Amino acid sequence: SQQGEEDPQALSIQEGENATMNCSYKTSINNLQWYRQNSGRGLVHLILIRSNEREKHSGRLRVTLDTSKKSSSLLITASRAADTASYFCATDASYNTDKLIFGTGTRLQVFP
Amino acid sequence: NAGVMQNPRHLVRRRGQEARLRCSPMKGHSHVYWYRQLPEEGLKFMVYLQKENIIDESGMPKERFSAEFPKEGPSILRIQQVVRGDSAAYFCASSPLAGNYNEQFFGPGTRLTVL
Repeated sequence: SQQGEEDPQALSIQEGENATMNCSYKTSINNLQWYRQNSGRGLVHLILIRSNEREKHSGRLRVTLDTSKKSSSLLITASRAADTASYFCATDASYNTDKLIFGTGTRLQVFP
Repeated sequence: NAGVMQNPRHLVRRRGQEARLRCSPMKGHSHVYWYRQLPEEGLKFMVYLQKENIIDESGMPKERFSAEFPKEGPSILRIQQVVRGDSAAYFCASSPLAGNYNEQFFGPGTRLTVL
């Protein structure tokens, strides 16, 4: 079953607005990663946050992690049309393996 | 440093044929992962390999699917006797080290269509 569930499934905003996507997961993790996927393309790694971190920034991206609630959020500030893509969170499965378990994704549409 | 390479980018097969998907990890990376993505879904883990070893194949169907990562050359995901349900995008990722906190770098994917 999916480890992560993103919310919302789809989001439409105007350029300049902020976009917030949430991810919930089920089991203990070592880290959580966010990826972007443009339609029909591969995945681009955005940011990794470790289980002992609460917040991380990268450019216009801000990621938070709440391990007590098993949830994370990705905030894109001052969105641009080029941010239109699907966004996935991914967690590691356990301490013994390195596979990533992906959520179902949030499809973000930014209108110019 | 070239990224993860996958070929072909698109592959069309008829039912019953074999599909071979290739993945060349980033230079210096010895860990390879294969994932499958069905339309409108997230990626699902299939198999994790190191050079000449399958470490975790828990996500790979027991029949018709196999994977290898030889000492020399790319990793190969092989699907025998393909069926329509195998149509999906198959992504390969690589990482330099196993263990915690290692980012996986993804290739552009191979889109398999089974007619």
